[in-house]
Amino acid sequence: DAGVTQSPTHLIKTRGQQVTLRCSPKSGHDTVSWYQQALGQGPQFIFQYYEEEERQRGNFPDRFSGHQFPNYSSELNVNALLLGDSALYLCASSLAGTATFGSGTRLTVV
Amino acid sequence: AQSVAQPEDQVNVAEGNPLTVKCTYSVSGNPYLFWYVQYPNRGLQFLLKYITGDNLVKGSYGFEAEFNKSQTSFHLKKPSALVSDSALYFCAVREISGNTGKLIFGQGTTLQVKP
Repeated sequence: DAGVTQSPTHLIKTRGQQVTLRCSPKSGHDTVSWYQQALGQGPQFIFQYYEEEERQRGNFPDRFSGHQFPNYSSELNVNALLLGDSALYLCASSLAGTATFGSGTRLTVV
Repeated sequence: AQSVAQPEDQVNVAEGNPLTVKCTYSVSGNPYLFWYVQYPNRGLQFLLKYITGDNLVKGSYGFEAEFNKSQTSFHLKKPSALVSDSALYFCAVREISGNTGKLIFGQGTTLQVKP
């Protein structure tokens, strides 16, 4: 049973560029949440998608946007990248229960 | 607002000794509490959770946690530490409002188990 799959695992972007991160939830899960984990910090909630709609949003600027597809997979988009966006981005899926996390995408902005 | 605090940045313990990683929480109402572990360059792995019931919760890899309502604590414990337990541990509380299951994490505690 595949868990949560995230791609890519690593990427490097330049300030001002745009990036798209992808997530495939665990089989049977219909809800996807995204978290940002800066170095030395705990994960911070970005937003959650359910039934292809953003259900809740954390304290992140509009440069952060997302999407959920009919197959429950999700994308996280970040526009106008800043150096401070460098972090591990974690996707978590759930079905009215405990969240299962993926291994994350390490984004480095230079 | 709900919050979680992990007062220790790092815990050092010798292999075979018992370990405790501390967590305190602040919530209004009944808390849903979680422990996750993170190995280098990996995502979070679920260890255990407290929703209701017995205050001593048993989880994966021999870990357990004790919920103490009067002290608002949810400390992670293991009777005998292994070198392979060395990792970063996060305590989290589920946000009650919004019904989304949003998790609020502590800053994390690095556990170092020495042979």
